Amino acid sequence: GQNIDQPTEMTATEGAIVQINCTYQTSGFNGLFWYQQHAGEAPTFLSYNVLDGLEEKGRFSSFLSRSKGYSYLLLKELQMKDSASYLCAVRDSNYQLIWGAGTKLIIKP
Amino acid sequence: ETGVTQTPRHLVMGMTNKKSLKCEQHLGHNAMYWYKQSAKKPLELMFVYSLEERVENNSVPSRFSPECPNSSHLFLHLHTLQPEDSALYLCASSQDAAGEVDEQFFGPGTRLTVL
Repeated sequence: GQNIDQPTEMTATEGAIVQINCTYQTSGFNGLFWYQQHAGEAPTFLSYNVLDGLEEKGRFSSFLSRSKGYSYLLLKELQMKDSASYLCAVRDSNYQLIWGAGTKLIIKP
Repeated sequence: ETGVTQTPRHLVMGMTNKKSLKCEQHLGHNAMYWYKQSAKKPLELMFVYSLEERVENNSVPSRFSPECPNSSHLFLHLHTLQPEDSALYLCASSQDAAGEVDEQFFGPGTRLTVL
């Protein structure tokens, strides 16, 4: 079967750095996505990786290792507004997104 | 504003009712999606439409019936639902461009409660 694993919840301090991991087992691979979802709101696209390595976008970076079936989202200089759920999703051989259950990130002052 | 709107935002219905959820995208996209989001569970893809044709139906019970009259509008018709169908129903759209990032843009969702 297809599976995406990510931690259920993480806590970090304002101004710090946090890394949210995602491991996957899917039938085929056509890219990995990270989305952010604030409570009661729609998920919004954060990043996309299809080749191994690090993609940096401001305070957010995403890393991919296809051989390990592993990705992480790195958030730097955390702000209170970064409190949200972070969803990892992999596009499989049928070009459909397989989603993880999301990681709820709590930022404390 | 994500360019994808959904109505209603909240819906409470009995198991014998019939209701419809509506989604509209203003982004000129070719693909539209219905997802079910339950607490602490992964997003479940229900239906996918590409250029108004259904391309995916992930073993969804027949009490959920989608309709895509054109590339901008998507409906989900509901009838004789069960309490376990209570969830957040999200609509999304994407350009449907093969080989591209083709990220999905989500609407705010309809919070459905079945009594």
